[in-house]
Amino acid sequence: ETGVTQTPRHLVMGMTNKKSLKCEQHLGHNAMYWYKQSAKKPLELMFVYNFKEQTENNSVPSRFSPECPNSSHLFLHLHTLQPEDSALYLCASSRLAGGPGSNQETQYFGPGTRLLVL
Amino acid sequence: ELKVEQNPLFLSMQEGKNYTIYCNYSTTSDRLYWYRQDPGKSLESLFVLLSNGAVKQEGRLMASLDTKARLSTLHITAAVHDLSATYFCAVVIVGTSGSRLTFGEGTQLTVNP
Repeated sequence: ETGVTQTPRHLVMGMTNKKSLKCEQHLGHNAMYWYKQSAKKPLELMFVYNFKEQTENNSVPSRFSPECPNSSHLFLHLHTLQPEDSALYLCASSRLAGGPGSNQETQYFGPGTRLLVL
Repeated sequence: ELKVEQNPLFLSMQEGKNYTIYCNYSTTSDRLYWYRQDPGKSLESLFVLLSNGAVKQEGRLMASLDTKARLSTLHITAAVHDLSATYFCAVVIVGTSGSRLTFGEGTQLTVNP
């Protein structure tokens, strides 16, 4: 399998549930990202991991918890979500031109997980 | 705070016509991307523009970058229905913790027969 994959593709959960989104990249990249895409809003960057270290948390509520066990895998753990969290969650990866903190090259996106919180 | 603004946000055009989508950004950057998103699908990278005056073309799409004006354009030539999609520009800003992409709101393009 090539590129960036995400599972599940669709998820419906109640506000008291706990679930996890998974992202895997097969491109040999060293940076991974979580974005939220809501209707009629620009893509919002949530988290950035460079070389498995979280380098950015864009003021995301604690009910979203990322995990990056290695450079190829990224998780987003969800708990006690709100209906306004319903959105398309996109994972992306890229190669950093140099070491940590260096400029990134093109980001490649996964197909996304369509999340509905009831 | 970096702002990336696209216009128009909605564009309906006839097949065979030409049109331009504009992307303005508020902070110095030397790298800009254009992405395409089909309904219900993910984002597909179209172009990366790396320097002032850069121009890239792929089929009926041509992108350009003017870093002094902080403006990029995506020009559509002789549109066809298959180009119907949402187009995003995204600007790279390098900070102390590395670089990040900031996206515009997207331009929803509909090409009518």
